[in-house]
Amino acid sequence: GAVVSQHPSWVICKSGTSVKIECRSLDFQATTMFWYRQFPKQSLMLMATSNEGSKATYEQGVEKDKFLINHASLTLSTLTVTSAHPEDSSFYICSARDGSQRQQYFGPGTRLTVT
Amino acid sequence: ILNVEQSPQSLHVQEGDSTNFTCSFPSSNFYALHWYRWETAKSPEALFVMTLNGDEKKKGRISATLNTKEGYSYLYIKGSQPEDSATYLCAFQEGRDDKIIFGKGTRLHILP
Repeated sequence: GAVVSQHPSWVICKSGTSVKIECRSLDFQATTMFWYRQFPKQSLMLMATSNEGSKATYEQGVEKDKFLINHASLTLSTLTVTSAHPEDSSFYICSARDGSQRQQYFGPGTRLTVT
Repeated sequence: ILNVEQSPQSLHVQEGDSTNFTCSFPSSNFYALHWYRWETAKSPEALFVMTLNGDEKKKGRISATLNTKEGYSYLYIKGSQPEDSATYLCAFQEGRDDKIIFGKGTRLHILP
């Protein structure tokens, strides 16, 4: 199956700093990538959908100025959590959709802890 | 707001026993229903993408059925093994280019 990598797998940062998370599709071109966040004992909540070369579409309640998404190529999307606060501590996971298939392939996720 | 419900939330099954759990989703517009297996510290693994009413898919000891008219899908595991311990997620997709909406998952524990 298709492989999606995510980096870093975990990160600890101080409040007020920014953190960038990378999501890469390793063996296919991802026309669309998705960013999810998971709170304890909750579903994967979609934050935004990004299409290569265009602006991301954010879900209601997600601050686009706080969670900056860039999808500069067909194999890379980045999520930057700006001016992170402890309430941003969460598990962030990306997925990528191959334009020719219905499947979405997930990365392993990034555990962010803001102190 | 589209709602995807999974039950039970958690399940303990003796090794060797068979089990099943449910995903319910809106029965109005339908494009696809996805099942994923998510083991701790790994990426969610795609199990099935189901699109047709009455569809049944199988992968080894795991199978799934789909009823789009009534809005539910069952996942079955035959002869549970320790490696089946994971969270099983279902996700509903309303249209071809639409996002997929996840349920909260069923956490399956296989007891030796």
